[in-house]
Amino acid sequence: DVKVTQSSRYLVKRTGEKVFLECVQDMDHENMFWYRQDPGLGLRLIYFSYDVKMKEKGDIPEGYSVSREKKERFSLILESASTNQTSMYLCASSFWGTGGGEQYFGPGTRLTVT
Amino acid sequence: RKEVEQDPGPFNVPEGATVAFNCTYSNSASQSFFWYRQDCRKEPKLLMSVYSSGNEDGRFTAQLNRASQYISLLIRDSKLSDSATYLCAVNGNFGNEKLTFGTGTRLTIIP
Repeated sequence: DVKVTQSSRYLVKRTGEKVFLECVQDMDHENMFWYRQDPGLGLRLIYFSYDVKMKEKGDIPEGYSVSREKKERFSLILESASTNQTSMYLCASSFWGTGGGEQYFGPGTRLTVT
Repeated sequence: RKEVEQDPGPFNVPEGATVAFNCTYSNSASQSFFWYRQDCRKEPKLLMSVYSSGNEDGRFTAQLNRASQYISLLIRDSKLSDSATYLCAVNGNFGNEKLTFGTGTRLTIIP
């Protein structure tokens, strides 16, 4: 059974804090993704990684960075959190070469920045 | 024009009815198409892939119309448990591993 786990379900941070969101998958997937989901805007891709240490910007990378030091782990970093980064953050993973294929999502982290 | 567009609904449908959603996409080079289901406060999960020849899985049928650039999802004999938000997802060009998601269509099945 594929499992994608995220480090926290709920997180409250203050403006200006550095925030780390971690995602771990156990299916040996090459691809990992970070999305944010907001009402009316849907799922928007922040960053994508197709291999260790490889990353690509998604549609909304500003204010975010990522790290992938191990295949199973993909971290999203908010260098200096701002209130407009309050959102639901979803991590996903998939096999490479499936043209998008089936993405497996983690349960999400609801981040509130005050 | 948005890359992927869906009618947000809500669709309120009586139990047992048939309901259909469409999703339009703008990139004619897109190769892969999917329907995901997202329950309230849960993560999206793949419902079904959409093949050129259509795809049926029990009460669910997905179809692709390349000429008009849309995909559809048909749910027959709807159940209360079908209440959810349905997201369509489309990849970019051939070999592109990234998906662009629609904003979702909210469906509520009424007893």
